[in-house]
Amino acid sequence: SQELEQSPQSLIVQEGKNLTINCTSSKTLYGLYWYKQKYGEGLIFLMMLQKGGEEKSHEKITAKLDEKKQQSSLHITASQPSHAGIYLCGADDYNFNKFYFGSGTKLNVKP
Amino acid sequence: DAGVTQSPTHLIKTRGQHVTLRCSPISGHKSVSWYQQVLGQGPQFIFQYYEKEERGRGNFPDRFSARQFPNYSSELNVNALLLGDSALYLCASSSDGNTIYFGEGSWLTVV
Repeated sequence: SQELEQSPQSLIVQEGKNLTINCTSSKTLYGLYWYKQKYGEGLIFLMMLQKGGEEKSHEKITAKLDEKKQQSSLHITASQPSHAGIYLCGADDYNFNKFYFGSGTKLNVKP
Repeated sequence: DAGVTQSPTHLIKTRGQHVTLRCSPISGHKSVSWYQQVLGQGPQFIFQYYEKEERGRGNFPDRFSARQFPNYSSELNVNALLLGDSALYLCASSSDGNTIYFGEGSWLTVV
């Protein structure tokens, strides 16, 4: 079965600093999703990557999928308190019609 | 347009009781999936339904069941509740393999 490992588990950064969150898969990814979750709330879709080497950006958040499609990174530039939350990577496992998530990265941004 | 809506938002049940959680997908979305998220962990896949048929099932006991109605809304049922069933239950919908959108979730507390 598909497994997604995220690192780091938690992160505290000073406002204005850059940061990177990683997501590594045990299998080749068909589609890699990034979501953000505020504590106890639903997931907000950020980006989806499908092609090896693909890179997408939205505002100050950039996500990349490596050429082998087994690792993705989420980079936040000039972090703000509004970026705080839990970031989750997720992926489809078409062989089993399932969707898997990593365990999440908890981000705190200190003003 | 309305997003994925779930009800109830919060509920408290006693061990051994039964619970029904409801989900209305985004208009036009035929696929609905359910996830259980225990505090501090990533969401765990429970079921996926497409066109009223079960397409995928996670590693959950038979106490968990679901169904999808002709209007594509869905119910998740859990029988013989255990303390460990306390979690945030998330519903998501998608359209033909595209981006998966999540609702705000239903918080279930079993006492």
